[in-house]
Amino acid sequence: QKEVEQNSGPLSVPEGAIASLNCTYSDRGSQSFFWYRQYSGKSPELIMFIYSNGDKEDGRFTAQLNKASQYVSLLIRDSQPSDSATYLCAVKENTGNQFYFGTGTSLTVIP
Amino acid sequence: GAVVSQHPSRVICKSGTSVKIECRSLDFQATTMFWYRQFPKQSLMLMATSNEGSKATYEQGVEKDKFLINHASLTLSTLTVTSAHPEDSSFYICSPLGARVMNTEAFFGQGTRLTVV
Repeated sequence: QKEVEQNSGPLSVPEGAIASLNCTYSDRGSQSFFWYRQYSGKSPELIMFIYSNGDKEDGRFTAQLNKASQYVSLLIRDSQPSDSATYLCAVKENTGNQFYFGTGTSLTVIP
Repeated sequence: GAVVSQHPSRVICKSGTSVKIECRSLDFQATTMFWYRQFPKQSLMLMATSNEGSKATYEQGVEKDKFLINHASLTLSTLTVTSAHPEDSSFYICSPLGARVMNTEAFFGQGTRLTVV
């Protein structure tokens, strides 16, 4: 059983702070990793994807991947109240098309 | 990104009735369709995977006779919840996958909030 694990939170940070979201996965052969943001009652929307070890930055978001440790994280700089949502980590299996989702981390940015 | 249209966005039905949810991929051909269910405070749970023109593959614990999936064309898949009961109340989300987008992210429909009363 392929597993993707996240701390469910809730994680609260003050506005302007850095929010750090973490995810571990069990399938060592996984190659594609995604972070989705999901507002209450809405479907997930893609924030970032990362395929290679290291950091990938996009605006206020930085994804970090460490395949040796089977760990992927998302940093949100200068957090805004509008960032308050549930963040889902997703891992795509190497041999097929199926995605495996973590349970999500609930983030609240306090004004 | 891909354009996916799912409707209805919200439906309330009486216990024992059936509800059909449609998912359309508007700008690519969806050779595969994933159907997910999400209960409050929980993550997406894969219900079934269907390939165009063939029978869907259901995950363990998902009743194929209760959740009927039709994927007769490359742009439309439907999920019918038959004889719905209150425990079927959930958020249902489709995710189409096309042959040319196999290496990219998952695209999602807008989701359908089903409430069975």
